[in-house]
Amino acid sequence: KAGVTQTPRYLIKTRGQQVTLSCSPISGHRSVSWYQQTPGQGLQFLFEYFSETQRNKGNFPGRFSGRQFSNSRSEMNVSTLELGDSALYLCASSLGDRTIGGYTFGSGTRLTVV
Amino acid sequence: QKEVEQDPGPLSVPEGAIVSLNCTYSNSAFQYFMWYRQYSRKGPELLMYTYSSGNKEDGRFTAQVDKSSKYISLFIRDSQPSDSATYLCAIEGRGSGNTGKLIFGQGTTLQVKP
Repeated sequence: KAGVTQTPRYLIKTRGQQVTLSCSPISGHRSVSWYQQTPGQGLQFLFEYFSETQRNKGNFPGRFSGRQFSNSRSEMNVSTLELGDSALYLCASSLGDRTIGGYTFGSGTRLTVV
Repeated sequence: QKEVEQDPGPLSVPEGAIVSLNCTYSNSAFQYFMWYRQYSRKGPELLMYTYSSGNKEDGRFTAQVDKSSKYISLFIRDSQPSDSATYLCAIEGRGSGNTGKLIFGQGTTLQVKP
């Protein structure tokens, strides 16, 4: 069974540019969440999608946006990149059933803004 | 005060030791509790998931939740050098407004010496 796939694995972008990251969840998983991981702040929640709808959003500026497609694949976009956006971006998928529970993470996309 | 507190360590133990990792949380509305293991340059890997007070065992791992004290623990028996990693506790609140929104501890770095 394939895990959560994130592409690309590594990205280097210039300040002011925009970037799009992709996440393919485990087959059958309808919930996709995105997180930012930095050494200083740890793992912080960005947003969560379920059946193409954003259900929850974290405390990040509007430059961070996302969407989910009908096949549950999700994309995250960051516009007007800042140096502080350099981080590991992780997505996690789940069935959306809390009685089964747990979120499976991908290996992440490491974004470096220069 | 952070919503989830976790001692960052580092924690160093000899091979075969029992390891105890802990987190405390502040919000009694938190309902779902997870432990993740993260190796360097990898995404977090789900080890344990539980939503009730008490113990849950899976192989060498035991997760313990005490909701009255707002305290969760992970015990690793017969620790191995391959267990050397960062361990993260993660907590999710109840209700659809918290779905997918995991709040993570800072992570504890564990080193198991042969």
